[in-house]
Amino acid sequence: DAKTTQPNSMESNEEEPVHLPCNHSTISGTDYIHWYRQLPSQGPEYVIHGLTSNVNNRMASLAIAEDRKSSTLILHRATLRDAAVYYCILTITQGGSEKLVFGKGTKLTVNP
Amino acid sequence: NAGVTQTPKFRILKIGQSMTLQCTQDMNHNYMYWYRQDPGMGLKLIYYSVGAGITDKGEVPNGYNVSRSTTEDFPLRLELAAPSQTSVYFCASSHDYLSPNEQFFGPGTRLTVL
Repeated sequence: DAKTTQPNSMESNEEEPVHLPCNHSTISGTDYIHWYRQLPSQGPEYVIHGLTSNVNNRMASLAIAEDRKSSTLILHRATLRDAAVYYCILTITQGGSEKLVFGKGTKLTVNP
Repeated sequence: NAGVTQTPKFRILKIGQSMTLQCTQDMNHNYMYWYRQDPGMGLKLIYYSVGAGITDKGEVPNGYNVSRSTTEDFPLRLELAAPSQTSVYFCASSHDYLSPNEQFFGPGTRLTVL
């Protein structure tokens, strides 16, 4: 299975940008890069995904390296509500269904 | 829409007891999933289903069973509970015609086996 590597933890101040890195050097040409986050005591929630081009949505931006071996999730202005564990995930297709293979993620602390 | 709902929220079992974790979604998704999350770890896939009547094993299926008789419901059965099954269990669902699929997760069931 394609693996991702993320820092265990990161810290940010409120209203500052946050750049969460992810390495995925074994990514294949058809693997999408997904980001989910898990707020305390909740289930994970989808943040963003991309294949080759940078992506923006209302929650975040995803910057993907040209060789696709790394990506960065960008929160433009961190709020206290963004404190969560962020998972960078490469999907695998098995039995006709795409699977999310979760690592340990990056725990983001946002300081007021 | 309520999304994905799970019951119960919390449960304590004794070793050897059995129970069923309930999961229901109202988004008409064909794909449904069960995960477990141990403390400080990411989620691991237990079982998944691509439609009513179709289920398949994930990464950690031992000690669990599932069934999928309707599109909406995907219960997870624990037979002969063991302390190693102490975990938080999450159910999720996704569309089958959009790729890549965004998965929608329920709030989880916290299970303790003593």
